[in-house]
Amino acid sequence: QLQLQESGPGLVKPSETLSLTCTVSGGSISSSSYYWGWIRQPPGKGLEWIGSIYYSGSTYYNPSLKSRVTISVDTSKNQFSLKLSSVTAADTAVYYCARADYDFWSGLNWFDPWGQGTLVTVSS
Amino acid sequence: EIVMTQSPATLSVSPGERATLSCRASQSVSSNLAWYQQKPGQAPRLLIYGASTRATGIPARFSGSGSGTEFTLTISSLQSEDFAVYYCQQYNNWPPKLTFGGGTKVEIK
Repeated sequence: QLQLQESGPGLVKPSETLSLTCTVSGGSISSSSYYWGWIRQPPGKGLEWIGSIYYSGSTYYNPSLKSRVTISVDTSKNQFSLKLSSVTAADTAVYYCARADYDFWSGLNWFDPWGQGTLVTVSS
Repeated sequence: EIVMTQSPATLSVSPGERATLSCRASQSVSSNLAWYQQKPGQAPRLLIYGASTRATGIPARFSGSGSGTEFTLTISSLQSEDFAVYYCQQYNNWPPKLTFGGGTKVEIK
């Protein structure tokens, strides 16, 4: 059974860079059928897609965050990572990693499964 | 950007009753729509993809319908474990700009 687990600091100072890693177990990150993505959810609010990466390193980002986001993959460790620079209080959220279904013709699709999420608070 | 609007924001339903949740897209997304269930303190769980296909292990009381801009998630007979927040998500863009609706909270009446 595929499982994803987020890890990283729970507190980041304003203007610094948020860094999280997602470790995939029970399956290979190098599958041709999936991208791997990050989604966030501010406390009490809805879901926002941040971006997704293929095992080859191909990435897609949410245009609203693109200038601050870098997603990378390490297939040897079965992990992918998120970096979000110049954070503010508005970046406080639960950050989820998830597997994104992918099809050559339709592109990125739905997310399943998801990690349990990790709360990142931006505060001095 | 395709904006997804869910209604109502909150739906009060008695156990055993039927719940009907709506999701509207600002432009056509064909059948490229998914539904998720999220319980407090948990990650979202995929219920429906392709507007009407149940994900693995999802009970038959959950059904999805619609295409284009109007979509519906129906829970035929609410069980206690179904009280949660439900989100829709479109995946019709290329290059991708995946967007979610604001959610509908299904609460006990």
